[in-house]
Amino acid sequence: DAGVIQSPRHEVTEMGQEVTLRCKPISGHDYLFWYRQTMMRGLELLIYFNNNVPIDDSGMPEDRFSAKMPNASFSTLKIQPSEPRDSAVYFCASSFQGQGNSPLHFGNGTRLTVT
Amino acid sequence: KNQVEQSPQSLIILEGKNCTLQCNYTVSPFSNLRWYKQDTGRGPVSLTIMTFSENTKSNGRYTATLDADTKQSSLHITASQLSDSASYICVVTFKAAGNKLTFGGGTRVLVKP
Repeated sequence: DAGVIQSPRHEVTEMGQEVTLRCKPISGHDYLFWYRQTMMRGLELLIYFNNNVPIDDSGMPEDRFSAKMPNASFSTLKIQPSEPRDSAVYFCASSFQGQGNSPLHFGNGTRLTVT
Repeated sequence: KNQVEQSPQSLIILEGKNCTLQCNYTVSPFSNLRWYKQDTGRGPVSLTIMTFSENTKSNGRYTATLDADTKQSSLHITASQLSDSASYICVVTFKAAGNKLTFGGGTRVLVKP
């Protein structure tokens, strides 16, 4: 299995531009999570899906952030418009049967820099 | 508020030596406690998962312990290798928080030859 695949690995954009991050979860996993990691705040949950349906988006910082999961093998996290404080590493993770005793499988992240 | 505190923030050890990382959490009950290893530039990788009824679990040279009475967990690395240089993150799933994961700030380990 190729694991969770995220693209791009690095994204540099100017303030005000739209940014789209992509994720392909592990086949057969029914939960997908988007996290953000910064030095100051560590890992923070933004949103998670179960069977392609958003369950909890309380971690999404503002209306500028949106996430979709049109099918079981693809999800996007969009920031529009982007701001310098959005600079962070964004991780996608997937698991089977949620956050019970199943491990989360993380992708290698997208490092976003907004100038 | 559910919190997970890790110590030390960072440590340096010589190759071949052992080390122990600490994780303290507040509030209970919890569903499980996990340790993850995160290499630089990579996503976290699961090392161990323990339920509240387990008090030890091993994964190769990594051994995690759990004391639910004192709300403490430790991760012991035996005979450290250069590849153990990474951040180690303690994660607790709190039942009262809807089984959401709460992440510690991590301990950064550097193994020197």
